[in-house]
Amino acid sequence: DAGVTQSPTHLIKTRGQQVTLRCSPKSGHDTVSWYQQALGQGPQFIFQYYEEEERQRGNFPDRFSGHQFPNYSSELNVNALLLGDSALYLCASSLWVLAKNIQYFGAGTRLSVL
Amino acid sequence: AQTVTQSQPEMSVQEAETVTLSCTYDTSENNYYLFWYKQPPSRQMILVIRQEAYKQQNATENRFSVNFQKAAKSFSLKISDSQLGDTAMYFCAFMKRGVGNEKLTFGTGTRLTIIP
Repeated sequence: DAGVTQSPTHLIKTRGQQVTLRCSPKSGHDTVSWYQQALGQGPQFIFQYYEEEERQRGNFPDRFSGHQFPNYSSELNVNALLLGDSALYLCASSLWVLAKNIQYFGAGTRLSVL
Repeated sequence: AQTVTQSQPEMSVQEAETVTLSCTYDTSENNYYLFWYKQPPSRQMILVIRQEAYKQQNATENRFSVNFQKAAKSFSLKISDSQLGDTAMYFCAFMKRGVGNEKLTFGTGTRLTIIP
């Protein structure tokens, strides 16, 4: 059973460009969450997708958008990149089973904005 | 809003010793979960242990155990018989209970080094 997979593993962009990051959830998981982890910090919640809709959103600008596909995979899009968007972007998938929910994380995409 | 505080940026301990990582949190919620995640250099966040706030019994997973003090809003992680593979960043995290609340709030982490 494959875990959460993210692509690409590393990406370099320049200011003003747009980027798309991809996430395949753990098999059977229907909820995907995205987090941004700046260097030396804990992950910060960006947003969450369930049934192809954004269900929750953290304090991130509209430049950050996402999508969830019918197979539960997800994309994170960031427009008009800023230097401060350089970070590790983590995807987590989860599923409620018997009132229990555990989030499983991918290895992340390291985004560098020059 | 919830906040999670980890006041120990770095810790180190000799192999086979016991180490305790601290975490405090602030919330007005009564039903929630608390987690400890481990992030090794491979970057993948791995769940170490999970505690449900309505359970008074402290969670244990092999060498890992927690001391959950709900009134004090404290949630520390004890690692017994530490091993070199325990070297990693450790993050404490909070999640409200209930479907639709699957948002984790993390602390800033503690970098743990196990010395051979």
